[in-house]
Amino acid sequence: AQSVAQPEDQVNVAEGNPLTVKCTYSVSGNPYLFWYVQYPNRGLQFLLKYITGDNLVKGSYGFEAEFNKSQTSFHLKKPSALVSDSALYFCAVRDMEGTGNQFYFGTGTSLTVIP
Amino acid sequence: EPEVTQTPSHQVTQMGQEVILRCVPISNHLYFYWYRQILGQKVEFLVSFYNNEISEKSEIFDDQFSVERPDGSNFTLKIRSTKLEDSAMYFCASRKDGNSPLHFGNGTRLTVT
Repeated sequence: AQSVAQPEDQVNVAEGNPLTVKCTYSVSGNPYLFWYVQYPNRGLQFLLKYITGDNLVKGSYGFEAEFNKSQTSFHLKKPSALVSDSALYFCAVRDMEGTGNQFYFGTGTSLTVIP
Repeated sequence: EPEVTQTPSHQVTQMGQEVILRCVPISNHLYFYWYRQILGQKVEFLVSFYNNEISEKSEIFDDQFSVERPDGSNFTLKIRSTKLEDSAMYFCASRKDGNSPLHFGNGTRLTVT
């Protein structure tokens, strides 16, 4: 079965500093990986995805993620954090077994950017 | 930009009552989903729907749950006899095809009393 793990429930970072939100995955076959952000009382918003190609994927709002096959990781990064980046972040994997229609989400990481 | 819309934003019901949560997916999307989130925690998969039938469902999606796409635009989730533990935020999502990502609505907060 496919799964993702987010080892940190909470990440705090000072405004202007680089941020990293960690995600590791476990899949059979090629991974289809995604990052989403959730603001309070809102739905999840798509940030970026990795399907194939370059290991560094660029997405919305200045975020990027690095796919590392040997470490089975897909960490979300941003060079300079903003207070407005404070939100809940979810890593997700698409299950390509069976119908390929199922997406599994991690447990989420709450990011707080401190002014 | 097209959005997934969900109504109502908040639904309060008594235990044992039936509820219907409504969603209008993005118009040219082909795959439809329901997820739920309890207390802002883990996002749990309920069901996926494609070509007018359920594609996959989780263990949570038991006989009390059903989905329907009654016309070309709406996608509904029905809970026949609600339980206290059904209280959660329910999210509808849709995606177009191929490798396209999920697009989520803003959710319906269901409170069962």
